[in-house]
Amino acid sequence: TQLLEQSPQFLSIQEGENLTVYCNSSSVFSSLQWYRQEPGEGPVLLVTVVTGGEVKKLKRLTFQFGDARKDSSLHITAAQPGDTGLYLCAGESDSWGKLQFGAGTQVVVTP
Amino acid sequence: EAQVTQNPRYLITVTGKKLTVTCSQNMNHEYMSWYRQDPGLGLRQIYYSMNVEVTDKGDVPEGYKVSRKEKRNFPLILESPSPNQTSLYFCASSFSNYNTGELFFGEGSRLTVL
Repeated sequence: TQLLEQSPQFLSIQEGENLTVYCNSSSVFSSLQWYRQEPGEGPVLLVTVVTGGEVKKLKRLTFQFGDARKDSSLHITAAQPGDTGLYLCAGESDSWGKLQFGAGTQVVVTP
Repeated sequence: EAQVTQNPRYLITVTGKKLTVTCSQNMNHEYMSWYRQDPGLGLRQIYYSMNVEVTDKGDVPEGYKVSRKEKRNFPLILESPSPNQTSLYFCASSFSNYNTGELFFGEGSRLTVL
């Protein structure tokens, strides 16, 4: 059972455009992480959000955790080809150790 | 260099032939976990370990075994592999002791079971 639903599954945009990726669930999470994965490599952590309503910025990336801690979004401003990758959200519920991942959003940014 | 090392990176085997995928981390992390990644399904947790001699099932443990005899190593054992275990496997570790924390992933092991 996929507790975390990511949308869209695939996103292709031109360099300079903005994009938003969504991560939704019916479950409440104590924390939520965003990872980026490039071909042939393991995922790499971008950010962790833990407080409902929290907003974190990482250069051109803005992450938001929903007030009810059930959903999150990732917004990229002025996307660059280096932003290309598979973006994964991962949530941890009350069961410590069981970090569950969404299926991911494949983002392709063309020059 | 801090890293999680998996071996082998690629393996083709046949149904029923026991195999082990090794995982080693050099960061003195308490927590280690195995995931499999399949198209459209994302990463699904197989087993995890919070410390030496402490292991627990993830979401898809059937057909797999693990052990944690040393802090740095967390091998994944497929006693009798079947074609539905063909997948990309990732080992990950974390330092945190109050939640999962930042996961550091290995480069992955691509397994094909014929």
